[in-house]
Amino acid sequence: GAVVSQHPSRVICKSGTSVKIECRSLDFQATTMFWYRQFPKQSLMLMATSNEGSKATYEQGVEKDKFLINHASLTLSTLTVTSAHPEDSSFYICSATPGQLVGYTFGSGTRLTVV
Amino acid sequence: DAKTTQPPSMDCAEGRAANLPCNHSTISGNEYVYWYRQIHSQGPQYIIHGLKNNETNEMASLIITEDRKSSTLILPHATLRDTAVYYCIVRGYNTDKLIFGTGTRLQVFP
Repeated sequence: GAVVSQHPSRVICKSGTSVKIECRSLDFQATTMFWYRQFPKQSLMLMATSNEGSKATYEQGVEKDKFLINHASLTLSTLTVTSAHPEDSSFYICSATPGQLVGYTFGSGTRLTVV
Repeated sequence: DAKTTQPPSMDCAEGRAANLPCNHSTISGNEYVYWYRQIHSQGPQYIIHGLKNNETNEMASLIITEDRKSSTLILPHATLRDTAVYYCIVRGYNTDKLIFGTGTRLQVFP
């Protein structure tokens, strides 16, 4: 089945630094990937749609300069949280699908803690 | 995409069937119903999806009413490992996005 790998699974960083999270489709190509954020006891919130070879599309209220997305190949999308602050501490999850109307596969998530 | 409504929580005894309802009364003709679940601190897991016919796979069954305004996910023999938050999502044919609602927290007890 389709597998999406996300790395790192946990990261702790100092306030003001940047953190990069990788999302890879291991056995399929994905022209589109999605990034979500989830706070404790809340549902997943879609942040942005990552498009291979073009700019990401951000959901309303998500700062594109703070959450930089790069989708340079058909199997890799990265999310960089720039100048991280404690309020950015959250669970970040990516997803992708090998085809239209097939179930989306999600990564295992990245727990970001900003201290 | 149509909005979905799910009960916030449900309990189910181990070995019994778990029936999770979802209301999507504003669903349109080309929108699919997807079910995912999320076990604590993991990424969501795909369960099943359907358009208008009932669907079954190795994990669950999906029953969609004839008017498509509601559906039920059935886990035929719930186990403790089925304890999770279950999300019902309506997704349009022309969109790639999956928008999550609040889901149902299913607790399976011994």
